[in-house]
Amino acid sequence: EDQVTQSPEALRLQEGESSSLNCSYTVSGLRGLFWYRQDPGKGPEFLFTLYSAGEEKEKERLKATLTKKESFLHITAPKPEDSATYLCAVLGSYNFNKFYFGSGTKLNVKP
Amino acid sequence: NAGVTQTPKFQVLKTGQSMTLQCAQDMNHNSMYWYRQDPGMGLRLIYYSASEGTTDKGEVPNGYNVSRLNKREFSLRLESAAPSQTSVYFCASSGKTEKLAGGGNEQFFGPGTRLTVL
Repeated sequence: EDQVTQSPEALRLQEGESSSLNCSYTVSGLRGLFWYRQDPGKGPEFLFTLYSAGEEKEKERLKATLTKKESFLHITAPKPEDSATYLCAVLGSYNFNKFYFGSGTKLNVKP
Repeated sequence: NAGVTQTPKFQVLKTGQSMTLQCAQDMNHNSMYWYRQDPGMGLRLIYYSASEGTTDKGEVPNGYNVSRLNKREFSLRLESAAPSQTSVYFCASSGKTEKLAGGGNEQFFGPGTRLTVL
């Protein structure tokens, strides 16, 4: 069965302190790995899609990378406004329309 | 262009009451989804609709029914609410249903409905 595990569950950083969030996945035939940002009381907001190992995507202070078993969301010099929960999801070939989500990493960036 | 909209934003029900959560999207997407989000458990798929006229069960369908009214609208119904259905419900849509080499599969989410069942 397709599965996604995110670590750590929570991460506290000082402003400017770079770090990485991990998303490990098991999927039959990866059709896409997705990163979302979720602010308290709101719906998830799409960030990136990665399709194949070696692919990288960047947006402002965020950079997502993908290997055959995991994805990393690197946060460079974070700011307090980067505080949110970051969700990872995969879409596989077996369950054609089912996205499998991890439980997220809650990031708190202190000024 | 509102994206995905959901109504109501908040709802309190008593055990046994029924209600329908409404969802609409204006992105001309084929696929629509209903999720519930509970603390520590991530997003769990309740039902999805790959295209107008079709619906399928997700991971946690028991106690729910859905209707794909047209391409824009996808509703979720609780026939007899239970305290275990207290949760935040999200609707999402995505633009592709067929297998693709890449592009267009990402989901877009609504703001959510916060449901409490007493």
